[in-house]
Amino acid sequence: GIQVEQSPPDLILQEGANSTLRCNFSDSVNNLQWFHQNPWGQLINLFYIPSGTKQNGRLSATTVATERYSLLYISSSQTTDSGVYFCAVEDDSGGSNYKLTFGKGTLLTVNP
Amino acid sequence: GAGVSQTPSNKVTEKGKYVELRCDPISGHTALYWYRQSLGQGPEFLIYFQGTGAADDSGLPNDRFFAVRPEGSVSTLKIQRTERGDSAVYLCASSRQGYTGELFFGEGSRLTVL
Repeated sequence: GIQVEQSPPDLILQEGANSTLRCNFSDSVNNLQWFHQNPWGQLINLFYIPSGTKQNGRLSATTVATERYSLLYISSSQTTDSGVYFCAVEDDSGGSNYKLTFGKGTLLTVNP
Repeated sequence: GAGVSQTPSNKVTEKGKYVELRCDPISGHTALYWYRQSLGQGPEFLIYFQGTGAADDSGLPNDRFFAVRPEGSVSTLKIQRTERGDSAVYLCASSRQGYTGELFFGEGSRLTVL
């Protein structure tokens, strides 16, 4: 099956700093989503971005499908940004495409 | 409802007992998914429903696990003869019919098997 690798596995920032999280995947994809899992375990949708660039406030994401990677940018980080960021993909294998395969996540800690 | 609702939020049981976990998807979403998340890992696919039928149950770990969605809305994940290794957070997600787009997750049910 498709492999999803996220880097870095851990990241510690001071409030106000910027960061870039990376997601590499091993095959072409129909669907790519970025999630933030907060300390209570809730998975919050950040972006649905199988290709292109999107921005939402301090967050933006870019997926270069032909090169099989996606980047999540966090600017002016806040303590509430802390948590685990997951990249999840749905591979373009034809037929029933609906399973998301998750990476292991990036644990972000933003200190005040 | 406004979001995916899961109950119970926490369940502690003894090895060998039977457990049911419930998921109420977003209103109008006909696709429903169950995932399982172990500590320090990303969620892993268990089963997918389109309407009332299980379109793919290939992620269920063994025959102790079973899920139903009799009316195409609420789903129940059933675990028989629970084992300590079943301890995890069980996540439910839903998405719109025929749209392999965004999945929306519930808050999960944390299962602890003693």
